[in-house]
Amino acid sequence: SQQGEEDPQALSIQEGENATMNCSYKTSINNLQWYRQNSGRGLVHLILIRSNEREKHSGRLRVTLDTSKKSSSLLITASRAADTASYFCAPYSGGGADGLTFGKGTHLIIQP
Amino acid sequence: DAGVTQSPTHLIKTRGQQVTLRCSPKSGHDTVSWYQQALGQGPQFIFQYYEEEERQRGNFPDRFSGHQFPNYSSELNVNALLLGDSALYLCASSDDGNTEAFFGQGTRLTVV
Repeated sequence: SQQGEEDPQALSIQEGENATMNCSYKTSINNLQWYRQNSGRGLVHLILIRSNEREKHSGRLRVTLDTSKKSSSLLITASRAADTASYFCAPYSGGGADGLTFGKGTHLIIQP
Repeated sequence: DAGVTQSPTHLIKTRGQQVTLRCSPKSGHDTVSWYQQALGQGPQFIFQYYEEEERQRGNFPDRFSGHQFPNYSSELNVNALLLGDSALYLCASSDDGNTEAFFGQGTRLTVV
């Protein structure tokens, strides 16, 4: 699988605001996944969007995928302090047997 | 369901020693992948085990080896430890063919 590149590297917003982070990748994909990691802990799967989907929602999360631009965005609405974490995208090109490849992530800080 | 469990949670070893880390996958999962995450970086794929065999490997030296048992649990072994092996080691499990991965909380390895 290929590595995604998250942007920005760090983002600090006030509680209640929306947070948007982006992911770019290089070659065609089967799906793209977003994960969250709280400080020093394991990753938590947030959402998977397939290459034939353009938008997907899960609670306060909204993910878009633009395969023509090879990019995805993750929007967190009405942010909370508990959303403070690192967020990683994992574009997946393989056939089901490949490991995931992660970039450096976006470090999101929600200020009270 | 206990999810993915890893042991130990923390470990301090001396350079040149060998270490074994353990992982029990989520119930019903048959595929286990291992990742290394250095401070400030995203997780890097080490290898994946399925049906007790290494199915895919990332860019890691032969000092890193693994094993999967008939009950799908897995071990990661690292020989001749280097200071640079200090990292958070994450185990992830999944269904074969399903790319959504469930991560454990990790083992923090410090090599001194």
